[in-house]
Amino acid sequence: GDSVTQMQGQVTLSEDDFLFINCTYSTTWYPTLFWYVQYPGEGPQLLLKVTTANNKGISRGFEATYDKGTTSFHLQKASVQESDSAVYYCVLGLSNYNVLYFGSGTKLTVEP
Amino acid sequence: ETAVFQTPNYHVTQVGNEVSFNCKQTLGHDTMYWYKQDSKKLLKIMFSYNNKQLIVNETVPRRFSPQSSDKAHLNLRIKSVEPEDSAVYLCASSTGLGGLYEQYFGPGTRLTVL
Repeated sequence: GDSVTQMQGQVTLSEDDFLFINCTYSTTWYPTLFWYVQYPGEGPQLLLKVTTANNKGISRGFEATYDKGTTSFHLQKASVQESDSAVYYCVLGLSNYNVLYFGSGTKLTVEP
Repeated sequence: ETAVFQTPNYHVTQVGNEVSFNCKQTLGHDTMYWYKQDSKKLLKIMFSYNNKQLIVNETVPRRFSPQSSDKAHLNLRIKSVEPEDSAVYLCASSTGLGGLYEQYFGPGTRLTVL
């Protein structure tokens, strides 16, 4: 069935470290892929969005590339800051279905 | 200000009581949603509405019922709350119906059932 998998429940880094969060998806349809970020006390907000037409998204120093071969959509950032501490969700959207499939979330903690 | 607004921010109640949460969006969107977020941060879709019509009703208990007066408002009522209903309830909206559209979320209502 259609699903999204994030294996890393928590990631702890120091400032200026490189960030890599795994995400894989499963679907037989053409996907639209999102990364949402949720800061403490707030609702999730869109970080970046990628479709099959433009397979790479970049926003606020984060980037994610859609790889159809490995069905992956990993999130990367070259140098994290303490303000990046949040929960990151990999999300799958399908044109034939009216909801988004949220992954289980990865809690990023960046220590000063 | 254009955004998604939710009231109340917090609500504490006892088992068996009825509660109601409000959501309003000023973004001019046609579609609204309710999600439940548990203590492990897992997000689960509960309902979605498009132009006041229920589109998706995931397998939620019947004590939950969405109510929409117009496309800018979507409320959630819970009759006879149970301990497992303790969670954050998030309202969201989007311009269109379907999994291709960005969803805009409110800050959530945290429900604690004693």
